[in-house]
Amino acid sequence: KNEVEQSPQNLTAQEGEFITINCSYSVGISALHWLQQHPGGGIVSLFMLSSGKKKHGRLIATINIQEKHSSLHITASHPRDSAVYICAVRSGSNYQLIWGAGTKLIIKP
Amino acid sequence: EAGVTQFPSHSVIEKGQTVTLRCDPISGHDNLYWYRRVMGKEIKFLLHFVKESKQDESGMPNNRFLAERTGGTYSTLKVQPAELEDSGVYFCASSLGTGLETQYFGPGTRLLVL
Repeated sequence: KNEVEQSPQNLTAQEGEFITINCSYSVGISALHWLQQHPGGGIVSLFMLSSGKKKHGRLIATINIQEKHSSLHITASHPRDSAVYICAVRSGSNYQLIWGAGTKLIIKP
Repeated sequence: EAGVTQFPSHSVIEKGQTVTLRCDPISGHDNLYWYRRVMGKEIKFLLHFVKESKQDESGMPNNRFLAERTGGTYSTLKVQPAELEDSGVYFCASSLGTGLETQYFGPGTRLLVL
């Protein structure tokens, strides 16, 4: 079992829908990252969280340290949001990231 | 400001050959990381440089992989000899210093070993 689990693995939704992607982890962490990977493209860091909530445009990321759980929300989803969204955690003082398998999101017009 | 760059973007080689991947971090970033995603699996950490020193190389799969960062600027990752299971996407990232700062990722090098 991976130390970082994401759900769902795949998600298809209609344009405009509210999207939630979940991440659960089993290790103690010092930070959690949400990243985005477009088809054929590189990886872009969306958020880095150690507590609470962050918002950037239509994207919102929350984390509950006690429950070892984070969510990424997309409001008013758009086809250009179609990508793989990956959760990765940094465990303690170690700088290496432990990665989830990613959630493939497709937004249909 | 230029982001993290990687070269080549794609590489197709035969089993047994040698391949060298290059990563140029953001200027001034002391921390440089290598990751890879092999087919169907999660991205895995390979190693972490602080300037020219290897801070953590616990993710390097075996001694066919050699990473260097001479002078603390760009880094190379050499695979010699390459095996079929080395196929995947190799990502490089950099960050400014210690602490909880964001890692900035390069576009990745897609390696296919035939």
